Amino acid sequence: GAVVSQHPSRVICKSGTSVKIECRSLDFQATTMFWYRQFPKQSLMLMATSNEGSKATYEQGVEKDKFLINHASLTLSTLTVTSAHPEDSSFYICSARDLRDYNEQFFGPGTRLTVL
Amino acid sequence: GQNIDQPTEMTATEGAIVQINCTYQTSGFNGLFWYQQHAGEAPTFLSYNVLDGLEEKGRFSSFLSRSKGYSYLLLKELQMKDSASYLCAPMDSNYQLIWGAGTKLIIKP
Repeated sequence: GAVVSQHPSRVICKSGTSVKIECRSLDFQATTMFWYRQFPKQSLMLMATSNEGSKATYEQGVEKDKFLINHASLTLSTLTVTSAHPEDSSFYICSARDLRDYNEQFFGPGTRLTVL
Repeated sequence: GQNIDQPTEMTATEGAIVQINCTYQTSGFNGLFWYQQHAGEAPTFLSYNVLDGLEEKGRFSSFLSRSKGYSYLLLKELQMKDSASYLCAPMDSNYQLIWGAGTKLIIKP
């Protein structure tokens, strides 16, 4: 089956630093990748949709200058949280849409970010 | 607007059957997904319905009625490991998944 990996799985950083999270589709090509954030006991919140080779589309209320998304290839998208603050601490999850099956999304295992 | 309505929490007994209902409103419709999410983990795919009717997959079955904007997930022979949140996620006309808060299912021995 389709596999999506995320790295790192957990990261702890100091306030003011930047953190990069990688999302890779391991055995399929993903023209579209999605970045979600989930706070405890809340629903998944879509942050942005990234298409390979083009700029990401951000959801309302998500700061594009703070959450930098790069989708440079059909198998890799990165999310960089710039100048992280404690309120950015959350569970970040990516998902990827298979080029061959537009309906299904495959989720990565998530990255737990803690900003001190 | 778009919205999902599921019970916040349900409790069931090991070995029993439980049905988790979901009603939805979306701009367009391209099918409905059910995901399972254990605490601290990412969602994992359970089922996908695009036509009306029942889809059975092992202990899990999912039903869809497009005219009613209604779906349910049926879990049989419940096991302790089924304790998790269950997310109903319809896909809108832009092929975007719409997420609710999910239903937290607690299984008791």
